[in-house]
Amino acid sequence: GAVVSQHPSRVICKSGTSVKIECRSLDFQATTMFWYRQFPKQSLMLMATSNEGSKATYEQGVEKDKFLINHASLTLSTLTVTSAHPEDSSFYICSARTTDTEAFFGQGTRLTVV
Amino acid sequence: GQNIDQPTEMTATEGAIVQINCTYQTSGFNGLFWYQQHAGEAPTFLSYNVLDGLEEKGRFSSFLSRSKGYSYLLLKELQMKDSASYLCAVSDSNYQLIWGAGTKLIIKP
Repeated sequence: GAVVSQHPSRVICKSGTSVKIECRSLDFQATTMFWYRQFPKQSLMLMATSNEGSKATYEQGVEKDKFLINHASLTLSTLTVTSAHPEDSSFYICSARTTDTEAFFGQGTRLTVV
Repeated sequence: GQNIDQPTEMTATEGAIVQINCTYQTSGFNGLFWYQQHAGEAPTFLSYNVLDGLEEKGRFSSFLSRSKGYSYLLLKELQMKDSASYLCAVSDSNYQLIWGAGTKLIIKP
């Protein structure tokens, strides 16, 4: 199946700093990428939908100025958590898909803000 | 609103069969997905149903009834490694994935 690579897998940062997470589709062109957040023992929560070359569409309640998403090419989307705080600590997962195929997931990024 | 329902937790015995149900109410339907997620890892794709009926893939099968808004994932010959959360997701009219909360499956020896 298709491969989506997410990097880094784990990151620890200090409160107030910014962290960038990359999501790459390695063997297909992803017109749409999705960013999810997952709290322990809970399901995936969609944060935003990213379309190549246009602004991301954020879900209600997600701060677009805090979670900056850039989908610069058909194979790369980035999520930057700005001015991170301990409550931002979570598991962040990206996925990529074409219109009606299954979503291919990245490996996920465990963010810990100390 | 859009809603996906699946049991929170199920327990089964190694070697047995378990069926995880999923009911949905969504604005439009473009397929239903089942994913497996082990703790601390990203979900992995198991199956996709867009037409009514049963799709079999090794030890796993998935069934869909669009008229009833119902699907199930059937796992046979359970192994300890099948202990995981199983997520049901529906692709709506905009091809947006609507996720269920997941079913935690516990396998006992």
